[in-house]
Amino acid sequence: SAVISQKPSRDICQRGTSLTIQCQVDSQVTMMFWYRQQPGQSLTLIATANQGSEATYESGFVIDKFPISRPNLTFSTLTVSNMSPEDSSIYLCSVETGMVNTEAFFGQGTRLTVV
Amino acid sequence: SQQGEEDPQALSIQEGENATMNCSYKTSINNLQWYRQNSGRGLVHLILIRSNEREKHSGRLRVTLDTSKKSSSLLITASRAADTASYFCATGTLQETSGSRLTFGEGTQLTVNP
Repeated sequence: SAVISQKPSRDICQRGTSLTIQCQVDSQVTMMFWYRQQPGQSLTLIATANQGSEATYESGFVIDKFPISRPNLTFSTLTVSNMSPEDSSIYLCSVETGMVNTEAFFGQGTRLTVV
Repeated sequence: SQQGEEDPQALSIQEGENATMNCSYKTSINNLQWYRQNSGRGLVHLILIRSNEREKHSGRLRVTLDTSKKSSSLLITASRAADTASYFCATGTLQETSGSRLTFGEGTQLTVNP
């Protein structure tokens, strides 16, 4: 299993600014995932972050808007850059402790409101 | 794009009744998982069923998987008010470069009335 500490838990930000979300895991994991959950919607994968390599972004998400760092096997950050009200969502980090047929563990999410 | 479609979108039942949620998907999968989310917080894993399995139980949960119909169902028996939450199915597939990947369905909002 894995315990994930994600912060901040919520924030209200001005448009045009940036917010960095941190995700700390209590064990070493190879892959970390960042998701966005828009109000009343399901989860959409933003990117996969592997330690020592560039993050892999999903269609519709770009590095300039959502830069990700993965400096070691227990930590990652996601930055939401140049925010607009459309970025208001819950952002979640997740890890899997195996490669195949394993469950995912999630942080408690960051509820972001852009005004 | 979202692979999973769930129905119903919302379900309201009385305590003690059973709740059934369905999930359909479009492509081949390695596994299908069900997660629970309380009030927009983090997701909690409930159960994983592999593509070669047809049924799995965990406490009051029963999951079925029909790969020929590309569908799954989650049954919660003897529901409690504390079961009130959003339930998501997620299909697990292996990617060439990024390992395992989960694709989430739209979710079912379950309300269990005391």
